[in-house]
Amino acid sequence: KQEVTQIPAALSVPEGENLVLNCSFTDSAIYNLQWFRQDPGKGLTSLLLIQSSQREQTSGRLNASLDKSSGRSTLYIAASQPGDSATYLCATYGIYNQGGKLIFGQGTELSVKP
Amino acid sequence: KAGVTQTPRYLIKTRGQQVTLSCSPISGHRSVSWYQQTPGQGLQFLFEYFSETQRNKGNFPGRFSGRQFSNSRSEMNVSTLELGDSALYLCASSPDGGANVLTFGAGSRLTVL
Repeated sequence: KQEVTQIPAALSVPEGENLVLNCSFTDSAIYNLQWFRQDPGKGLTSLLLIQSSQREQTSGRLNASLDKSSGRSTLYIAASQPGDSATYLCATYGIYNQGGKLIFGQGTELSVKP
Repeated sequence: KAGVTQTPRYLIKTRGQQVTLSCSPISGHRSVSWYQQTPGQGLQFLFEYFSETQRNKGNFPGRFSGRQFSNSRSEMNVSTLELGDSALYLCASSPDGGANVLTFGAGSRLTVL
């Protein structure tokens, strides 16, 4: 049974800092891993999707890496801004998935102070 | 291109009642998945529908059910509501429910009193 863990649960940084969010998973039999952002009381916004054959994906100030063999992914945010404050969730899509099922971590709540 | 639309956005029910939530996927998407989000358990998968058939199901009691219509719109129903059913219910759509990016709706916030 896949278990996804995110550390730290909460993080507070001053504006302008570069930061890394961590995600680990127990079962490496995955098709992909996705990072999402969730603002308070809102739905999820997809940030990056990394296929199991890829090592990293980049979008603007965001870079996500995947090391399937060690069961780890990181989300790197460069030059953080107050608008980056949100909860960040990672989720895996397993190869035995019959459809639509993502396994989520508990999230990292990020606060960027001006 | 319209996103995933969930209705109602907020609702309050009392224990023992039932509730129906609706999800309209992105046009052309045939897969709709439902998730429950609570502070204690986080995001948990409820079920997935594709072409009007339930293809996948999470570990929830039979009080939770769903269906999908021919236009891909989906509904989920919770009968005999319990206090623990208070949660944000999110639906997501994708073209075929495979290993694609899921697009989530804004959610339906259910409070059970």
